[in-house]
Amino acid sequence: EVQLVESGGGLVQPGGSLRLSCAASGFTFSSYSMNWVRQAPGKGLEWVSYISSSSSTIYYADSVKGRFTISRDNAKNSLYLQMNSLRDEDTAVYYCARDSGTVGYWYFDLWGRGTLVTVSS
Amino acid sequence: SYVLTQPPSVSVAPGKTARITCGGNNIGSKSVHWYQQKPGQAPVLVIYYDSDRPSGIPERFSGSNSGNTATLTISRVEAGDEADYYCQVWDSSSDSYVFGTGTKVTVL
Repeated sequence: EVQLVESGGGLVQPGGSLRLSCAASGFTFSSYSMNWVRQAPGKGLEWVSYISSSSSTIYYADSVKGRFTISRDNAKNSLYLQMNSLRDEDTAVYYCARDSGTVGYWYFDLWGRGTLVTVSS
Repeated sequence: SYVLTQPPSVSVAPGKTARITCGGNNIGSKSVHWYQQKPGQAPVLVIYYDSDRPSGIPERFSGSNSGNTATLTISRVEAGDEADYYCQVWDSSSDSYVFGTGTKVTVL
């Protein structure tokens, strides 16, 4: 079955760190660019970060630049998000999402179920 | 940064047509994609490249894009179409994905 499964969410204090993981299965993970997208409680979707299939290209939303680091291990079919200096406003469900489409016309064709990150003292 | 504006809510009777707009500066020059999200679930792609449907998405879902407005149209609306809908584009000027503000569709 083609799927993405996130893990690593939880409760963390402001200023703390957390590492999210996303396990891919059912498709050739190394052929796809991947993303993290988040959704604060009761709010809309917000793109967080992108990584190309070979890790050669990485993008971040301004809201997380300098604090979050995206990475992947193609041998383990896994995507990661290292989150440092966490703030209250980082509280959200974090989704792993697969990229599809041609350059400049990308969209997300496969999503995980998400993992909840709560930043609170 | 690029901004996509959607109406907060749209209400429609069963069997009627719902139209959800997504406004952005010269959005017609971009490729627009649409997602459906039901409560407690992950988003699902329903339209890509302005008007293409992924396999498994009913023909009742269609899309268009021109000028400053993209539109998702849901024909013959069913109770199961009740959900939040988001448009999305890639903004090459900022190397970022942009989502619309989201529209809650209520089936009366």
